[in-house]
Amino acid sequence: EVQLVESGGGLVQPGGSLRLSCAASGFPFRTNWMHWVRQAPGEGLAWVSRIKDDGSVTNYADSVRGRVTISRDNAKNTLYLQMNSLRAEDTAVYFCSRDRDLSAWGQGTLVTVSS
Amino acid sequence: QSVLTQPPSVSAAPGQKVTISCSGRGSNIGNNYLHWYQQLPGAAPKLLIFDNDKRPSGIPDRFSGSKSGTSGTLGITGLQTGDEADYYCGTWDSSLSSVVFGGGTKLTVL
Repeated sequence: EVQLVESGGGLVQPGGSLRLSCAASGFPFRTNWMHWVRQAPGEGLAWVSRIKDDGSVTNYADSVRGRVTISRDNAKNTLYLQMNSLRAEDTAVYFCSRDRDLSAWGQGTLVTVSS
Repeated sequence: QSVLTQPPSVSAAPGQKVTISCSGRGSNIGNNYLHWYQQLPGAAPKLLIFDNDKRPSGIPDRFSGSKSGTSGTLGITGLQTGDEADYYCGTWDSSLSSVVFGGGTKLTVL
């Protein structure tokens, strides 16, 4: 069974940093593109970033480029999202997802940016 | 403002059929596969239709997808109260080099 489990969310002050993790199991993690998608309270889905199976290619949404870094550890089957210079508008549930069609999603981890 | 355009809401009675539209442009829907996601209240999104018209294992054939040019449509027949959810279309945008979504459509089964 495919499982994606996010962690690392929490309350952080504006300008602060946070690192999210996504533990993957039940599929060949090292052969899949992986994504982060977020959803602000009461809002729709917003794609954040993606990373190629071997980590050699990354893409970012304009809203986070320069403040966020996606990475992965294929030996640990884990995806990461390092978020810096956080703003109030980054407040959202962050989901990790797999493959080009976002075929599986985790339950999400809530990030709240507030003073 | 979402890159893909969906109606904010649709509604229909139990047992009836409903369609949800998704429009974009050549750089996204026109040249890439379209996917649809269902998000039940309080839950994570789930892939409903992939590659325009294919259903993942376990998705009933009441759900269907189609694409023509720069638009796509999700169809749901035999509506059930359990189908009440938000539905999103999504695809890759080759010009933006990003995944793009529609704003979501809230389905109400009256």
